[in-house]
Amino acid sequence: AQTVTQSQPEMSVQEAETVTLSCTYDTSESDYYLFWYKQPPSRQMILVIRQEAYKQQNATENRFSVNFQKAAKSFSLKISDSQLGDAAMYFCAWARNNDMRFGAGTRLTVKP
Amino acid sequence: GAGVSQTPSNKVTEKGKYVELRCDPISGHTALYWYRQSLGQGPEFLIYFQGTGAADDSGLPNDRFFAVRPEGSVSTLKIQRTERGDSAVYLCASSRTGTPGETQYFGPGTRLLVL
Repeated sequence: AQTVTQSQPEMSVQEAETVTLSCTYDTSESDYYLFWYKQPPSRQMILVIRQEAYKQQNATENRFSVNFQKAAKSFSLKISDSQLGDAAMYFCAWARNNDMRFGAGTRLTVKP
Repeated sequence: GAGVSQTPSNKVTEKGKYVELRCDPISGHTALYWYRQSLGQGPEFLIYFQGTGAADDSGLPNDRFFAVRPEGSVSTLKIQRTERGDSAVYLCASSRTGTPGETQYFGPGTRLLVL
């Protein structure tokens, strides 16, 4: 069964600094998609970044970038120049077809 | 609509009662998903609709849970004989076509508390 593991229940970063959130997954599939979602206290999940497994190039979206290591089944999220508004729960997700599996999440605190 | 909306925002019920949770997807999105998020966990898949039909309901935990989408837009998740273990946030998401890997847009969820 596909599982997603986020080994850091909580992380903290100083405003304007860089933080990396870890995610590993277990799958026997070769074609799939990976996502990072942000969930603020409002509960609404917001897509941060998306990666297609067949693409070797790491996805980037402004201050957010990933380090996708397919062989290691690792998909970490780097947040550069952290802002107070980045504070939230972050969920890593694996998807194939319409089957999407989420990790347990990492709570990110941003210190002013 | 501008985004996915869900009603009610919060629902408190007593054990054994019946509840309905509503999801209004983004206009024109054919794919709709329901997830359940227990405290301290990530969302867990329940059911996926493509149009009016349930394309995958393998995540529904038991026959007390049922969902419909009669006109291919609004969906209702129905829970019969609620149990305390059903307490969770129920999230709805929609995507444009349901193409694998397509971005899902989530609503704010309904927090269900069963006393």
